[in-house]
Amino acid sequence: GEDVEQSLFLSVREGDSSVINCTYTDSSSTYLYWYKQEPGAGLQLLTYIFSNMDMKQDQRLTVLLNKKDKHLSLRIADTQTGDSAIYFCAESNGNQGGKLIFGQGTELSVKP
Amino acid sequence: DAGITQSPRHKVTETGTPVTLRCHQTENHRYMYWYRQDPGHGLRLIHYSYGVKDTDKGEVSDGYSVSRSKTEDFLLTLESATSSQTSVYFCAISLGQPQETQYFGPGTRLLVL
Repeated sequence: GEDVEQSLFLSVREGDSSVINCTYTDSSSTYLYWYKQEPGAGLQLLTYIFSNMDMKQDQRLTVLLNKKDKHLSLRIADTQTGDSAIYFCAESNGNQGGKLIFGQGTELSVKP
Repeated sequence: DAGITQSPRHKVTETGTPVTLRCHQTENHRYMYWYRQDPGHGLRLIHYSYGVKDTDKGEVSDGYSVSRSKTEDFLLTLESATSSQTSVYFCAISLGQPQETQYFGPGTRLLVL
């Protein structure tokens, strides 16, 4: 069945770039998403990318999509301590119901 | 949180008791979802709704039922709570296609003793 995989932890120094990676198995994915979850809070949509795009940039965030390898990444430039959170990638395939398949989440720790 | 509220925000209950969680939206979105979040599992879909009185099961639906009698409310019921249902429960809403972006509520922490 459909599956989305992420590494569980990432630690970076403040000011460095962070790259969070995600792989998925569903070749019919239409949209891919990145969500951020701060402690004790719900998931906040960060950005999404349509499957016919290779890259999307939004301020400090850059999303890269390699559809051939089914690989998605989120790069955060100039990472700040406020970026410490869990980041989830998710994919949808346009089926009725709008169901998303989520990865397990990557916990980003930013050290001063 | 995109006009989504969940109640209660925290609940402690005993094994065997029924529990109902409520999700309320003010966005008039067609789709609503219930997820549970557990360490090591990410988010898992319990049930979802694609309209009033239209619901379907997700991947972890056993022990849960849902109802949607109005567009704005989606109820999740644990008929007889078990300790394995201790979790954080999130509601989400979506307009559906094309982007199918989901917006999440703040969550309900449920502890079953």
